[in-house]
Amino acid sequence: EVQLVESGGGLVQPGGSLRLSCAASGFIFSDHYMDWVRQAPGKGLEWVGRTRNKANSYTTEYAASVQGRFTISRDDSKNSLFLQMNSLKTEDTAVYYCARLGRGRGLDYWGQGTLVTVSS
Amino acid sequence: AIQMTQSPSSLSASVGDRVTITCRASQGIRNDLGWYQQKPGKAPKLLIYAASSLQSGVPSRFSGSGSGTDFTLTISSLQPEDFATYYCLQDYNYPQTFGQGTKLEIK
Repeated sequence: EVQLVESGGGLVQPGGSLRLSCAASGFIFSDHYMDWVRQAPGKGLEWVGRTRNKANSYTTEYAASVQGRFTISRDDSKNSLFLQMNSLKTEDTAVYYCARLGRGRGLDYWGQGTLVTVSS
Repeated sequence: AIQMTQSPSSLSASVGDRVTITCRASQGIRNDLGWYQQKPGKAPKLLIYAASSLQSGVPSRFSGSGSGTDFTLTISSLQPEDFATYYCLQDYNYPQTFGQGTKLEIK
């Protein structure tokens, strides 16, 4: 069974940093591109970014709103995905989901989400 | 960035109704579009990918169509479990962008 479990969320002050993790199981993690998607309270979904797989040099893509502040990485030996968030702003407050890009395209599996609150 | 505009933003319907939700892209995106369902407090769920391909395990009452700039998600006969918020997502280029969502409510 495919599972994605996020962790690392919490309360952080503006300007601070936080590192989210996503533990994957039940599939060959190293084969897949992986995404982060967020949802501010009461708002819609926002795509945050993507890491490609080793075959595609682990290259990354980001939304403009997080470019230069957030970094996506992965450790295939530990089946783990990460989101390093720096220079956090109040508008980064959201539930953060990790998601797998399926073979047929589309984000076919999602974690349960982890809440990040940026507030003083 | 490509803008995705969904309509309507909200919709009231009854069990058994046929419902259509539309997503329009600000430029052509071939068929690089997915549809997602989200229930309160839950992660989104993939329904349709590549505009018209039904994700494994998704009931056949869901269907998608369109290419270029105009896309539709159709639910042929609403079931109680279908009341949720629906989002489109373009994966034609980066940054990928979601529509603003369509909340489907019980009439």
